Amino acid sequence: KAGVTQTPRYLIKTRGQQVTLSCSPISGHRSVSWYQQTPGQGLQFLFEYFSETQRNKGNFPGRFSGRQFSNSRSEMNVSTLELGDSALYLCASSLEGRTGELFFGEGSRLTVL
Amino acid sequence: DQQVKQNSPSLSVQEGRISILNCDYTNSMFDYFLWYKKYPAEGPTFLISISSIKDKNEDGRFTVFLNKSAKHLSLHIVPSQPGDSAVYFCGGRDSGSARQLTFGSGTQLTVLP
Repeated sequence: KAGVTQTPRYLIKTRGQQVTLSCSPISGHRSVSWYQQTPGQGLQFLFEYFSETQRNKGNFPGRFSGRQFSNSRSEMNVSTLELGDSALYLCASSLEGRTGELFFGEGSRLTVL
Repeated sequence: DQQVKQNSPSLSVQEGRISILNCDYTNSMFDYFLWYKKYPAEGPTFLISISSIKDKNEDGRFTVFLNKSAKHLSLHIVPSQPGDSAVYFCGGRDSGSARQLTFGSGTQLTVLP
């Protein structure tokens, strides 16, 4: 069974640009969550989607947005990039009804110059 | 407001000895706790979990202890192995409808040969 796939794995942008990251969940998983990992801040929750609906949102500015498609694939977008947005963005999928186990992808490493 | 705190950013242990990683939480609505392990350039992987109705869960070399009155949990690794060197994240699952999983900032464990 294929794991969670995230693309691109690495990307470099400049301030003010926007970026779109993609996530394909494990087949059969309908819940997709996004996390930002920065040194010292751990894994900070961005948002969660289930059946194309945003079910939960973390404490991030409106520049961060996402969506989920009917095939459960998800994208997140960051507009007007800032230097502080440089981070590893992790996508995780899970089965609904499970006790909370998330399956993470390898992440997309974003560098903002 | 950090709902999950891992106050030790790093921990070094000799191979064969016990590693104890600690985690404190503030949210009384957490009903499930999970530990994840993360190697560099990989996504976090699920390690072990515990329900809030239990005080201990064991899986091989890994044991998680939960003290609800103190809002504290710990992960014990015995015996520690060099391959256990990784960042460990503690997470709490909210029992509300959103079921959000909130993580701490992580502890870098280094097991010295």
